Amino acid sequence: EAQVTQNPRYLITVTGKKLTVTCSQNMNHEYMSWYRQDPGLGLRQIYYSMNVEVTDKGDVPEGYKVSRKEKRNFPLILESPSPNQTSLYFCASTRTGWNEQYFGPGTRLTVT
Amino acid sequence: AQSVTQPDIHITVSEGASLELRCNYSYGATPYLFWYVQSPGQGLQLLLKYFSGDTLVQGIKGFEAEFKRSQSSFNLRKPSVHWSDAAEYFCAVGPLTGTASKLTFGTGTRLQVTL
Repeated sequence: EAQVTQNPRYLITVTGKKLTVTCSQNMNHEYMSWYRQDPGLGLRQIYYSMNVEVTDKGDVPEGYKVSRKEKRNFPLILESPSPNQTSLYFCASTRTGWNEQYFGPGTRLTVT
Repeated sequence: AQSVTQPDIHITVSEGASLELRCNYSYGATPYLFWYVQSPGQGLQLLLKYFSGDTLVQGIKGFEAEFKRSQSSFNLRKPSVHWSDAAEYFCAVGPLTGTASKLTFGTGTRLQVTL
């Protein structure tokens, strides 16, 4: 089954404790993205990657890092999380060009 | 900069009634337009997309949308709503040339369906 998986689905952590949210897709897609969803703000792109070792900032990259060492994986790293990063995070992937983005199920992060 | 406006935060319709969700976009060139649906606790699923051709596009689950360049709109419609359509709906816009990874989303419209 074609899918995007994220782990963990729920995470509660404390300010400053480094964390990683994993994202993996099994569709051999070149493009992958991370979004955060906040009430009243919709989805905002954090980072995206066009292929292995190629990443670029989205609209709200501050406080986040990403890496793309393998085509299937695109982890999101919060090196020093803060309460304003409490949000619902989605990973998405797509083939080259203008094709449908496939979204993961989301990761709900709470930073206290 | 591209932007998307969904003026209705929350809409309530009766089951069987028709539905129209509004989407207005701002973009300097021909846009690539999408509607996504997010059911409670789920990720986003593509309903339909438009980038050229017939301005009325059909999607999944009986939804359609009409692109009106003169009004910079891409409204989503369904003739008869089912209770299972209750969800949040997002309009998105992106550049025609570029990648699907540069979408800008609207803030969403939450649809409630009464029985």
